[in-house]
Amino acid sequence: DSGVTQTPKHLITATGQRVTLRCSPRSGDLSVYWYQQSLDQGLQFLIQYYNGEERAKGNILERFSAQQFPDLHSELNLSSLELGDSALYFCASSVVGLVQDTQYFGPGTRLTVL
Amino acid sequence: AQTVTQSQPEMSVQEAETVTLSCTYDTSESDYYLFWYKQPPSRQMILVIRQEAYKQQNATENRFSVNFQKAAKSFSLKISDSQLGDAAMYFCAYRSLGGGSRLTFGEGTQLTVNP
Repeated sequence: DSGVTQTPKHLITATGQRVTLRCSPRSGDLSVYWYQQSLDQGLQFLIQYYNGEERAKGNILERFSAQQFPDLHSELNLSSLELGDSALYFCASSVVGLVQDTQYFGPGTRLTVL
Repeated sequence: AQTVTQSQPEMSVQEAETVTLSCTYDTSESDYYLFWYKQPPSRQMILVIRQEAYKQQNATENRFSVNFQKAAKSFSLKISDSQLGDAAMYFCAYRSLGGGSRLTFGEGTQLTVNP
């Protein structure tokens, strides 16, 4: 158990809908990362937050948004869902978000878009 | 942009034997970090080992060791005394010193351990 929690574990929804994925980092970690794992694209970095502020952005679609709240939990919002958004979404956390930090991954949320 | 390539989609090994998983990367940077992550059927991503590019000594964690060849941009993972619990997808990952702390992953190698 990495100490990173993600809810829900599974999510099934329809095209055009909007969902919210939630992540709670390890106790004491200030930085949160979101990754997408799909059959087509492999494991891709989406976005990073540090202490509530966006720090880095990767291949995140405009239909996707994220934020980190004052209690340090983070949410990834996916809207206007398409079939291709079906994937495993991971959250990871690290202490301060520096390059030498180890990122600890949560168990992931499996999103299925029908 | 950095890229990471794992040329072996699948590998198999007999229990108690040794196996080496290959990884190459492309970068123009001189300092960076490299990682191997394991993803068992549970889908959890588990850090296996990390290597700092400025360190010449290869990292070792129990039965796991790496062969880091900086000039060749090669970062292979050796698993000794393979166990059934080592069966998983293994991902090689690169982290730059700049541009945030994102990990860039390879395509993965599916390792099967035969009893």
